[in-house]
Amino acid sequence: EVQLVESGGGLVQPGGSLRLSCGASGFTFSNFNMNWVRQAPGKGLEWVSYISGSGRNMYYADSVKGRFTISRDNAKNSLFLQMNSLRDDDTAVYYCARDVFSSASSRFDYWGQGTLVTVSS
Amino acid sequence: IQMTQSPSSLPASVGDSVTITCRASQSIDTSLSWYQQRPGKAPKLLIYATSSLHSGVPSRFSGSGSGTDFTLTISSLQPEDFATYFCQQSYSFSSFGGGTKVDIK
Repeated sequence: EVQLVESGGGLVQPGGSLRLSCGASGFTFSNFNMNWVRQAPGKGLEWVSYISGSGRNMYYADSVKGRFTISRDNAKNSLFLQMNSLRDDDTAVYYCARDVFSSASSRFDYWGQGTLVTVSS
Repeated sequence: IQMTQSPSSLPASVGDSVTITCRASQSIDTSLSWYQQRPGKAPKLLIYATSSLHSGVPSRFSGSGSGTDFTLTISSLQPEDFATYFCQQSYSFSSFGGGTKVDIK
């Protein structure tokens, strides 16, 4: 059974840092690209970042570029999101999501339960 | 790429057929997926590549479209279908529509 479990969320002051983790099981982690998606309270979904299965390619939303860094450890089946210079509007539930590509289409077929990040003084 | 969903709210009754629209700011070919999200839960994939049903998703869900205009149709709405639905493009990185909440009329 595919499982994704996020951790590391919490309360942090503006300007602070936080590192999120996502543990994966039930599939060959290195074979899949991964993403972080966030959802502010009562709002819609916002794609945050992508990393290829090898870890060589990473992409970011403009809203987090230069502040967030995505990484992965395939030996430990883990995905990370290092968040620096956090702002109030980074407050959200952060989801990790597995990315599968077939039929000339990419989609997020499995999601974790999410971890809440609250940026507030 | 900006994704615009309509309506933002859709009152409906059990047994109704409902249609949600998603429009892309530029052509995305057929790189469009739909997700369902229940309150307090993670999104679940329903449809990918515009019209392909994800494993385990009931056949009352269907998708169509191409280019910039897409639709999700739920035929014969069931009680468990009252939720929020999001479209997503994967043509250029990823972006989501604002969501459509299907609630009880």
